[in-house]
Amino acid sequence: ENVLTQSPGTLSLSPGERATLSCRASQSVTRNNLAWYQHKPGQAPRLLIYSAFIRATGIPDRFSGSGSGTDFTLTISRLEPEDFAVYYCQQYGNTKTFGQGTKVEIK
Amino acid sequence: EVQLVESGGGLAQPGGSLTLSCAGPGLALTHAMNWVRQAPGKRLLWISSISADGVRTYHADSVKGRFTVSRDNSKNTLFLQMNNLRPEDTAIYYCARFSDCGGDCPSDLWGQGTLVTVSS
Repeated sequence: ENVLTQSPGTLSLSPGERATLSCRASQSVTRNNLAWYQHKPGQAPRLLIYSAFIRATGIPDRFSGSGSGTDFTLTISRLEPEDFAVYYCQQYGNTKTFGQGTKVEIK
Repeated sequence: EVQLVESGGGLAQPGGSLTLSCAGPGLALTHAMNWVRQAPGKRLLWISSISADGVRTYHADSVKGRFTVSRDNSKNTLFLQMNNLRPEDTAIYYCARFSDCGGDCPSDLWGQGTLVTVSS
C-alpha cells in the first residue's frame, strides 16, 4: 500500500498569507495520479487538483499543485476566509489511499 | 448546486446490517462510483468502487465479503449493503463520483456523508 504522509498537521495562518502543504508518498505515485481535496466540517469534500497540478473545474487560480514521484505540494497563494479547512491528498491509482490531512486554521 | 446525497445511516448492532443509498437529485449517475469512509480521528479510506455499468466491483480487504456495492441505473441510485457490521465500521460514509478522465480518475463530486454507528 502506498502510504501518504502530509505535513504539517496544522497550519496557522492569517488571511492573505501563503499556505504550502506537503504530501509525501512511500512509493512513487503511478502517472502522478495525485489529487488534493478541500473538506469543511459537515460538507462534501471538494476536488481541487488532480494529476498533481491540474486545477479542477471552477477552482480559483490561487490554488496550485506541483511535484512528481513521491513529493507533492499544494500551494494557496493568498488565503481567503473560505479557504480555512482540512486538505487531503489522495493517490488514485490501482489502490486509492489518502493522506491524514492538513488543517489550515486562522491564526 | 449539484451534489450527491447519501441516506440510510444510523445505529446498528455488531453483526447487524445496514444499506446505504446515494443519489444525485437532478443528476444522472453515469460514471463509475465509489464509497469512502472516515472513522473518528482517522483518515479517509476508500472501501468500494463500481463501474458505470455495474458489472465490475471492487472492495477493500477490510470489508470484502461483508460489504457489497451495487447500483440501479434506472433509478440513478448507488447502494452499499453492509452485513456483519463491526464496531470498527463506525464512520461517516461518503459516496463519490469518479471523474470521466479515462483510466484511474479522482473523485470530482461527493456527498456530505451519512453516519454509521455500530454499537451494542
